[in-house]
Amino acid sequence: GENVEQHPSTLSVQEGDSAVIKCTYSDSASNYFPWYKQELGKRPQLIIDIRSNVGEKKDQRIAVTLNKTAKHFSLHITETQPEDSAVYFCAASKGGTSYGKLTFGQGTILTVHP
Amino acid sequence: DADVTQTPRNRITKTGKRIMLECSQTKGHDRMYWYRQDPGLGLRLIYYSFDVKDINKGEISDGYSVSRQAQAKFSLSLESAIPNQTALYFCATSDGRTGNYGYTFGSGTRLTVV
Repeated sequence: GENVEQHPSTLSVQEGDSAVIKCTYSDSASNYFPWYKQELGKRPQLIIDIRSNVGEKKDQRIAVTLNKTAKHFSLHITETQPEDSAVYFCAASKGGTSYGKLTFGQGTILTVHP
Repeated sequence: DADVTQTPRNRITKTGKRIMLECSQTKGHDRMYWYRQDPGLGLRLIYYSFDVKDINKGEISDGYSVSRQAQAKFSLSLESAIPNQTALYFCATSDGRTGNYGYTFGSGTRLTVV
């Protein structure tokens, strides 16, 4: 089955700095890659996603890039703010009949220091 | 939001007991999932269902069973609870009909097996 590796497991930055979280996936058939943010004590929420026919997608301060050849994708957060502190999960999904069934990475704890 | 509701929110049970976690949704989504979250392991898929008559095992289904009573209801059972099933359990839904595969998560059930 699909395997998703996420790094780093923890990331500490100063407010205003950029943060980058990277994920690699094992199955070349995967073609949907979402990112979820989980604040302390809350449920994960979708923040951005990308499909395999796109190399980059941006939404205000966050962006996701995809390198299909290398089978990795990354989340970029610019101008970080304390409210960006959370656990971030990447995920991947294959196409076909399993499309939409997500395999998650292990998570990254992001701490933004004021 | 209360679109995906999980009950109970917290539960402490004894080893060997049978326990059921319930999930209901008002989003009208056809797909429902059960994941467990453990620190450092991310979210791991237990079971999933793409419609009422469809039930599929995930990567860690041993010791669990599910029932899809209706499109809006998906229950997870632990037949004989053991301590290593102590975890945070999330139900999630997605809409397979529109091509928008982003998950909506419930608030989670924190289960402790003693």
